[in-house]
Amino acid sequence: QKEVEQNSGPLSVPEGAIASLNCTYSDRGSQSFFWYRQYSGKSPELIMFIYSNGDKEDGRFTAQLNKASQYVSLLIRDSQPSDSATYLCAVPTGGGNKLTFGTGTQLKVEL
Amino acid sequence: SQTIHQWPATLVQPVGSPLSLECTVEGTSNPNLYWYRQAAGRGLQLLFYSVGIGQISSEVPQNLSASRPQDRQFILSSKKLLLSDSGFYLCASSENNNSPLHFGNGTRLTVT
Repeated sequence: QKEVEQNSGPLSVPEGAIASLNCTYSDRGSQSFFWYRQYSGKSPELIMFIYSNGDKEDGRFTAQLNKASQYVSLLIRDSQPSDSATYLCAVPTGGGNKLTFGTGTQLKVEL
Repeated sequence: SQTIHQWPATLVQPVGSPLSLECTVEGTSNPNLYWYRQAAGRGLQLLFYSVGIGQISSEVPQNLSASRPQDRQFILSSKKLLLSDSGFYLCASSENNNSPLHFGNGTRLTVT
């Protein structure tokens, strides 16, 4: 089993809808979770991160953790065409804040 | 906040040639530094990790090496490039073990 898994997509949503992106992780002891956005040809950009003690909301973005099922979700409300990108989930593994990344989910927001 | 500089942005090199990619960080001291590679259509793979000057951990066996000659300088090198070394090389930095990683703009390397 991979340490961090994501559905590659593409996930297509209409403009203004809620986009829901999921990520499963294998280490039950994981304490922090990171979401990055990567536009085509660009480097990943940190969107938000959460710790195992609770969900987090930042503007149109909400990160939710389901520890029992070992998955973390990123919800994007009022999706915009500019949200079209690949979203990477990452979890620290092996100590020392080394992040293991999922392969990413491609999101397409359609007009 | 920290700023991560990488250069060059793109690079085309023949097989067997040497490589040197440089990354420098501003706005923080004694950061953790990382080199990741993203092959076409694939995920990010951690190559090297450093917690301080001269301290390098290699995550996967490969044709590459890394060095950290100064606190905020991280260099990725190869003596002889292989076709399989092509990819998008990303330098990342975190202020400490509990801070998120931030990436530089990356170097797109094509080995021909």
